[in-house]
Amino acid sequence: DGGITQSPKYLFRKEGQNVTLSCEQNLNHDAMYWYRQDPGQGLRLIYYSQIVNDFQKGDIAEGYSVSREKKESFPLTVTSAQKNPTAFYLCASKRQGPDTQYFGPGTRLTVL
Amino acid sequence: GIQVEQSPPDLILQEGANSTLRCNFSDSVNNLQWFHQNPWGQLINLFYIPSGTKQNGRLSATTVATERYSLLYISSSQTTDSGVYFCAVDHFGNEKLTFGTGTRLTIIP
Repeated sequence: DGGITQSPKYLFRKEGQNVTLSCEQNLNHDAMYWYRQDPGQGLRLIYYSQIVNDFQKGDIAEGYSVSREKKESFPLTVTSAQKNPTAFYLCASKRQGPDTQYFGPGTRLTVL
Repeated sequence: GIQVEQSPPDLILQEGANSTLRCNFSDSVNNLQWFHQNPWGQLINLFYIPSGTKQNGRLSATTVATERYSLLYISSSQTTDSGVYFCAVDHFGNEKLTFGTGTRLTIIP
């Protein structure tokens, strides 16, 4: 099956711990994106990558880090510097150029 | 940055009714997408529609880029249409999506 997978589906962490969220795609898409969604809100862009070994900050990058070592994978690390990390995190990918973004099922992170 | 406003914020309808959701944006765009977010959080692509009109079954969408708005029409609503509908735009040459705050649609049997 082609698609985007995110793991885990639910994640609980203690305050002060770093945590890494996985995003993998087998659609052969060049571009990948991470969004954050808070309850009752729209999505906000954290980081995006248009090509392997390159990525750019989105609108709310503070407290997050990413890597893009492989075309298929774009992991997101939520660091202890992120003040309000509890949220729903969505990963997306698309082909280069004006085209549709496709989303994974999301990871719900709760920091206790 | 570009602003995206959706209306109405909430809509409650009886099964079988028709509805129109609106998305206004503040600047030119080279991409506009409509999504449906189901109760489990999954975002489902409905339309990629930077301009013109498209139809897919009971759903259709129209974007008038020169007037900076898009409309999503849902006809003969079903309970499975419930959820949040998002409009998202890509400011020209940017390739980053900016999302509106959504319209929460509830269809009552």
